[in-house]
Amino acid sequence: AQTVTQSQPEMSVQEAETVTLSCTYDTSESDYYLFWYKQPPSRQMILVIRQEAYKQQNATENRFSVNFQKAAKSFSLKISDSQLGDAAMYFCAYISSGTYKYIFGTGTRLKVLA
Amino acid sequence: NAGVTQTPKFQVLKTGQSMTLQCAQDMNHNSMYWYRQDPGMGLRLIYYSASEGTTDKGEVPNGYNVSRLNKREFSLRLESAAPSQTSVYFCASTLRNIQYFGAGTRLSVL
Repeated sequence: AQTVTQSQPEMSVQEAETVTLSCTYDTSESDYYLFWYKQPPSRQMILVIRQEAYKQQNATENRFSVNFQKAAKSFSLKISDSQLGDAAMYFCAYISSGTYKYIFGTGTRLKVLA
Repeated sequence: NAGVTQTPKFQVLKTGQSMTLQCAQDMNHNSMYWYRQDPGMGLRLIYYSASEGTTDKGEVPNGYNVSRLNKREFSLRLESAAPSQTSVYFCASTLRNIQYFGAGTRLSVL
């Protein structure tokens, strides 16, 4: 069965610094998608970034980028120039192509220190 | 441009009471989902509907029923609420593998 593991329950970063959140997953599939979702205190789940497994190039969205290591089954999120508004829970998620069930990690709470 | 709308936002029930959580999306998505979120456990899939007229169990379906009323609406029913069902419930719809979430319902069962 596929699993997604976020081993850091909580992280802290100084404002304007860079932080990396870790995510590992386990699958025997070759075609799948990986996601990072942000959940601020408002509770709304917001897509941060998406990576297709068949693409070797790491996805980037403004200050957010990923380090996708397919062989190692690792999918970390790097947040550059951290802002107070980045403080939130971050969830890593996986879905195998052609299926309907998403697998979520348990989340990492990110605190941004002024 | 409402996206995914869930009602109610908050609800308190007594053990044994029943209720239905409503979810509607206006993005013409085929797939819809119900999750529960508990502290330290991420999001766990309760039920999903790949398309209008179909529903399937997820990881934690016990104690819940669902209805895909039409393409827009996907409701979650608790027939006899239990304290273990105290949680935050999220509805989502999907397009091109991206999930779009509602704002959630915080449910407390006393």
